[in-house]
Amino acid sequence: EPEVTQTPSHQVTQMGQEVILRCVPISNHLYFYWYRQILGQKVEFLVSFYNNEISEKSEIFDDQFSVERPDGSNFTLKIRSTKLEDSAMYFCASRDGPLTDTQYFGPGTRLTVL
Amino acid sequence: KQEVTQIPAALSVPEGENLVLNCSFTDSAIYNLQWFRQDPGKGLTSLLLIQSSQREQTSGRLNASLDKSSGRSTLYIAASQPGDSATYLCAVMGYYGQNFVFGPGTRLSVLP
Repeated sequence: EPEVTQTPSHQVTQMGQEVILRCVPISNHLYFYWYRQILGQKVEFLVSFYNNEISEKSEIFDDQFSVERPDGSNFTLKIRSTKLEDSAMYFCASRDGPLTDTQYFGPGTRLTVL
Repeated sequence: KQEVTQIPAALSVPEGENLVLNCSFTDSAIYNLQWFRQDPGKGLTSLLLIQSSQREQTSGRLNASLDKSSGRSTLYIAASQPGDSATYLCAVMGYYGQNFVFGPGTRLSVLP
């Protein structure tokens, strides 16, 4: 069964460094998402992406963050100048078509900022 | 702004019991509601998706219901097993955004 994959599974970085989290959505899906979950807290929406542009973003997704679909398969989240509070699990998700469809989530990347 | 709550926050039951997890949301203008399972330190596994026009969905021992007008959903797990131990999240997708709004989850422990 097709699945969303994410790399790396765990990323450790120093405060102030830039990180890129990578996702490979399910191949025929058109809509892509990033969510994050700070330890012990709710899963929170960051951004949605469709047709090579951001379609919606939350107030969390400020200028520190950017997303890109550099080729036909990868979907990346870049975090510039990381802060301690960026430590979280980051989930990528993808959806095939209408809003009535399921979003399929990847296994997540655990980001630890020291 | 949509708010999603779940009760109880944690639940511990002996193996074999039937149980109900509850989810409430404040804005009934939703496209759908989805129940997920999350194992410790892991990703989200989709369990059931209920469209706003549906009343319930079933998959194996799981049954999810939706009462959109009252802003409630329940996840019924029949004949619980230790392997069901996990955190169960509900999430709603509203008319006014493409993203899910998640509840805080119910942490379920099924004791052998």
